[in-house]
Amino acid sequence: DVKVTQSSRYLVKRTGEKVFLECVQDMDHENMFWYRQDPGLGLRLIYFSYDVKMKEKGDIPEGYSVSREKKERFSLILESASTNQTSMYLCASSSSEYYGYTFGSGTRLTVV
Amino acid sequence: DQQVKQNSPSLSVQEGRISILNCDYTNSMFDYFLWYKKYPAEGPTFLISISSIKDKNEDGRFTVFLNKSAKHLSLHIVPSQPGDSAVYFCAARGRGADGLTFGKGTHLIIQP
Repeated sequence: DVKVTQSSRYLVKRTGEKVFLECVQDMDHENMFWYRQDPGLGLRLIYFSYDVKMKEKGDIPEGYSVSREKKERFSLILESASTNQTSMYLCASSSSEYYGYTFGSGTRLTVV
Repeated sequence: DQQVKQNSPSLSVQEGRISILNCDYTNSMFDYFLWYKKYPAEGPTFLISISSIKDKNEDGRFTVFLNKSAKHLSLHIVPSQPGDSAVYFCAARGRGADGLTFGKGTHLIIQP
């Protein structure tokens, strides 16, 4: 069974802090994605990666960066957290052979 | 411009009746469609999918119908059960693309 693990379920950070959200998958998937989910806005793609050390901007990359040093790990970084980054963050992975994503359980981030 | 649209933010259905969730798309390059189900504080989970070469796919209580000429797909759940109460996301993948495009979701509420 494919597993995507996000390091924290709930996180509270202060405005201006640097925040790291970690995601690890155990099925050797090439592709990894970071989304945020907000009420009425659905799932919005922040960044994605097709391979180690590769990254591509999604629809809303501003205020975020990512790191993929190893195939199984994809980190989302909030350089200087702001209150409008309070959201549910979802990591997903996929292989080239299968069209669907497997999602992690999500991280509910609150920036105060 | 939204390429995948779920025009009903919420839908209320009585337990035991049929739930019909709708999704429209604008991009004729989409060739694979998926439905995901999401409970609060959890990541989305894959429910059912359909290739553009088919017009129907069934899995237990869940059936997805695809009308390519109308660029419309629907998810039928019958009979609806209390555990079906969740947000449902429609997603589509284009030929040659690795990523999925998601709709904004429909919150299905099953009433006893």
